[in-house]
Amino acid sequence: SQKIEQNSEALNIQEGKTATLTCNYTNYSPAYLQWYRQDPGRGPVFLLLIRENEKEKRKERLKVTFDTTLKQSLFHITASQPADSATYLCALADETDKLIFGTGTRLQVFP
Amino acid sequence: NAGVMQNPRHLVRRRGQEARLRCSPMKGHSHVYWYRQLPEEGLKFMVYLQKENIIDESGMPKERFSAEFPKEGPSILRIQQVVRGDSAAYFCASSRTRPSSYNEQFFGPGTRLTVL
Repeated sequence: SQKIEQNSEALNIQEGKTATLTCNYTNYSPAYLQWYRQDPGRGPVFLLLIRENEKEKRKERLKVTFDTTLKQSLFHITASQPADSATYLCALADETDKLIFGTGTRLQVFP
Repeated sequence: NAGVMQNPRHLVRRRGQEARLRCSPMKGHSHVYWYRQLPEEGLKFMVYLQKENIIDESGMPKERFSAEFPKEGPSILRIQQVVRGDSAAYFCASSRTRPSSYNEQFFGPGTRLTVL
């Protein structure tokens, strides 16, 4: 069956370190993958999109990689700050371009 | 330029009542999506609409749920005869064009439905 997995356990890191979040998927061949940020009580906010023919995408302190062989995307936040604390969702496009979301990983950056 | 707007933000209904959730997409967006998020679960796709048309409703329960996006006015997600299991956060998103690798979705703040 098709599945998207994100680490359900919260990730706690110290301010200034690099946070790395993982998104693994099975039985999908997505043309692209997106990452969103969601704060408590709010809707998701789009961060980055990476296509299947792209290995890496950067935006300011954010970096996303996409390995279609491993069926995995990694999301990095460098020089993390307490304000980066949130839940991060990965979403991939299925064959109809419908977005399928993972359950998200909660990131906590402490001073 | 206002973002996606949803109302009400919170809705309380008793079992058997109807819930009506509204979504106004971003200006210039004609594609609307509805998602449901249960506690500790991910966003689940429900339906994708374009003005006056339902494009994909594969995530919608077969009974009691319906959605529309009329030519004028907001998109409406209607849940008839609500049950406790319908309690969730319902998010609406919009995009300028059809889903593609050149397209991001903009989400509203959600409507939190509580069924007593």
